[in-house]
Amino acid sequence: DQQVKQNSPSLSVQEGRISILNCDYTNSMFDYFLWYKKYPAEGPTFLISISSIKDKNEDGRFTVFLNKSAKHLSLHIVPSQPGDSAVYFCAASARGSSNTGKLIFGQGTTLQVKP
Amino acid sequence: DTGVSQDPRHKITKRGQNVTFRCDPISEHNRLYWYRQTLGQGPEFLTYFQNEAQLEKSRLLSDRFSAERPKGSFSTLEIQRTEQGDSAMYLCASSSGVGQPQHFGDGTRLSIL
Repeated sequence: DQQVKQNSPSLSVQEGRISILNCDYTNSMFDYFLWYKKYPAEGPTFLISISSIKDKNEDGRFTVFLNKSAKHLSLHIVPSQPGDSAVYFCAASARGSSNTGKLIFGQGTTLQVKP
Repeated sequence: DTGVSQDPRHKITKRGQNVTFRCDPISEHNRLYWYRQTLGQGPEFLTYFQNEAQLEKSRLLSDRFSAERPKGSFSTLEIQRTEQGDSAMYLCASSSGVGQPQHFGDGTRLSIL
């Protein structure tokens, strides 16, 4: 049962344009969402996060939008740069009695930004 | 460098051998996580430590896997009697608390011959 889904395996965008990466989730207990970027042979690098009490969080060129009713979040990168080319993972965690903060990841979307 | 450090970066071993990986988290982080990532998939949770206590283990963590975090500092993940299916990237992450992002090391890539 895939609780976090990234339905687009890949995305290609022209430099300077907007990149929009999407993520859907099924578990209504998720209340903290994160985006990570991963280059080959490196671990995931934290990009931006959002709590379920918000619907938008912005950090420089990166903005994450959360639509709780649709159980959907998206990452906007604007303007896109060639150095943004990487695999992007969406992740979520749920509060609960265990409160471990373990992350559930999507399968990833490979972003290619063309010069 | 004050990030999460993992050693070794690569491990190649024969099926049936035991392997041990080490993770040094960010020093002020009391929460430590192990994940496993296979090709084309996102990382999957294996186990979680808060300080020295192992508080959650995934069903992915069979009896051949054991993890420790003595004194609440570095952690080790041991796999006994390795199998072909154990080939994966093993990632360690740490955080300072719930609602705080986890920061990952560069992983240990395990290849079983």
